[in-house]
Amino acid sequence: AQSVAQPEDQVNVAEGNPLTVKCTYSVSGNPYLFWYVQYPNRGLQFLLKYITGDNLVKGSYGFEAEFNKSQTSFHLKKPSALVSDSALYFCAVSGRVDSYKLIFGSGTRLLVRP
Amino acid sequence: GAGVSQSPSNKVTEKGKDVELRCDPISGHTALYWYRQSLGQGLEFLIYFQGNSAPDKSGLPSDRFSAERTGGSVSTLTIQRTQQEDSAVYLCASSLVLADTQYFGPGTRLTVL
Repeated sequence: AQSVAQPEDQVNVAEGNPLTVKCTYSVSGNPYLFWYVQYPNRGLQFLLKYITGDNLVKGSYGFEAEFNKSQTSFHLKKPSALVSDSALYFCAVSGRVDSYKLIFGSGTRLLVRP
Repeated sequence: GAGVSQSPSNKVTEKGKDVELRCDPISGHTALYWYRQSLGQGLEFLIYFQGNSAPDKSGLPSDRFSAERTGGSVSTLTIQRTQQEDSAVYLCASSLVLADTQYFGPGTRLTVL
């Protein structure tokens, strides 16, 4: 069965510092991997995805993620955090066969303090 | 252009009543998806449509849940005889083609009293 783990319920960083939000996955075959962000009382906003090719994926708002096949990880990173980055972040995976079905992690709340 | 829209944004109903939730996908998107977000279960896939067809209904929690899509556009998720455990935020998403990036609407918050 496919699954996603986000081991940290919350990540705290100071504005201007680099941030990492962790994600590991389990899926048969090669995965499609996604990051979404959710602001209060809003839907999910797409940040970036990995389908194939370069392991480093760049997305919206300066975020990037690195696909590591050997560690089955897809950690979200940003070199310099902003207070406005504070939100709930979800990692998601889908398999090549049922690629229509996103399996989400439990979410990580990012808090960037001024 | 306009994103995915959902209505109503909030719905409060009494246990046992039926509810209908509506989703308007991004214009031109052929695939449409429903998810549920609840405190206990997180984000769960419910059903998807390719055109007007729903090939995989296995994510629907019970036979009280049904969904349809007409004209390859608007979709309605219906919950019959609502129960308190149905309380959640119901999210709709659409993509240009199946398995492409899914773009989500703001959701409908359903509260069953």
